[in-house]
This record gives sequence, C-alpha cells and structure tokens, in this order.
Amino acid sequence: EDKVVQSPLSLVVHEGDTVTLNCSYEVTNFRSLLWYKQEKKAPTFLFMLTSSGIEKKSGRLSSILDKKELSSILNITATQTGDSAIYLCAVVAGTSGSRLTFGEGTQLTVNP
Amino acid sequence: NAGVTQTPKFRVLKTGQSMTLLCAQDMNHEYMYWYRQDPGMGLRLIHYSVGEGTTAKGEVPDGYNVSRLKKQNFLLGLESAAPSQTSVYFCASSSLGRRPYEQYFGPGTRLTVT
Repeated sequence: EDKVVQSPLSLVVHEGDTVTLNCSYEVTNFRSLLWYKQEKKAPTFLFMLTSSGIEKKSGRLSSILDKKELSSILNITATQTGDSAIYLCAVVAGTSGSRLTFGEGTQLTVNP
Repeated sequence: NAGVTQTPKFRVLKTGQSMTLLCAQDMNHEYMYWYRQDPGMGLRLIHYSVGEGTTAKGEVPDGYNVSRLKKQNFLLGLESAAPSQTSVYFCASSSLGRRPYEQYFGPGTRLTVT
C-alpha cells in the first residue's frame, strides 16, 4: 500500500521567517511527487517533481526531491501572511495511473 | 472557463437519507475523481473515472457509488448516509495529455450527517 507522510502537521511562524515542510513516501515504482496549497477551499497546484527533475523554484517557494531518501522538502522564504494554508504533498506511483496518494498535510500559520 | 464546479456547497442529512453530489468540469478532461477530506487525514480517494462510462474504486469506496454518463459530469451518490460520512468532499479532474498528474479541484461540498 502506498504511503505518504508529512511533517510537521502544523507550524506557526512570524512574517519573514523561512520554513521547511517535509514529505516522505513509501510507494511502488515512484513516478512523480506533487505539492498543493489549500487555503480556504480547493487545493491549487504548486509543483510537480519527477525523477528527471529534482528541484523546482517559483519566487519564494522552492521544492527539492531526494530520490535516495524517498522524500521531498518545500521551502518558503520570507514568509507572508498570505502563505498561511494547508500544504499537501501527493505521490503518483507506478500502477496507479494518474491517481494521487496524499499525505495528511501541514497547516502553516504565518502571523504578522 | 468555470473550471471544476460542485453542487451543492453545503448539505445536512439525517442518518439513512440519500443524496447525490454533482461535479462538472468544462476543461474537456478525461479523468475525474472524488475525494473526501477529514481533519488530520489529508485527501482520500473515493472513486475515480478514466473516461465516460467508466468508474473504478479508490481508497475508501464503501458506502458510495458513482456514475459518469457524460464526459463533463461525475456524480457521487450516498444511498444511506451515516455519521461517518460527515466530511468535506472534493471533486477533481485532470487531462490525459502532457500533465495527467496535475489535478484541478472544485471548491468542495461540506456534508454533515446527523
């Protein structure tokens, strides 16, 4: 059974801090890892990492895939209150087609 | 484009009642999914569809049924609601093309079963 674990489950920081969110996975035939941001409603796509591309950057957010450690981190620098959200990690495995297996999510709160 | 829409946004049911949640997408996506989200448990896949007329079970299918009679619509049914089905339900869709893993989500339906 595919498994995705995120840590920490919740995190409270002050504006301007840098945060690192973790995602580890145990899946058969890993294909891709995705990060989503969920504010009040629907999750929205942030990054997709595959075995061929281990790092992604978009402004203050960046993500790295560590194939050896079967994990990924999501870094957010110079956090803002608008970064407050649940961050979800999901994995696509070999026999699952396009199905995603999600982790529990990390609730990030950025205080002014 | 409206993207992915869900109807209704909120619903309260009594134990044993039935209801249908409707998901519609206007992006011509082949794949559609139904998830439930409970506190501390992330998103769990209930059922999914890889095309019109086809459905398959996900991680937590018991107590739910689905139908995909039209490509743009994916219905989730609860035949006899139970309090354990109190949750937020999300529908999602994705394309068969270049980025099949990037799923687009609807705004969710908050269901309470009393």
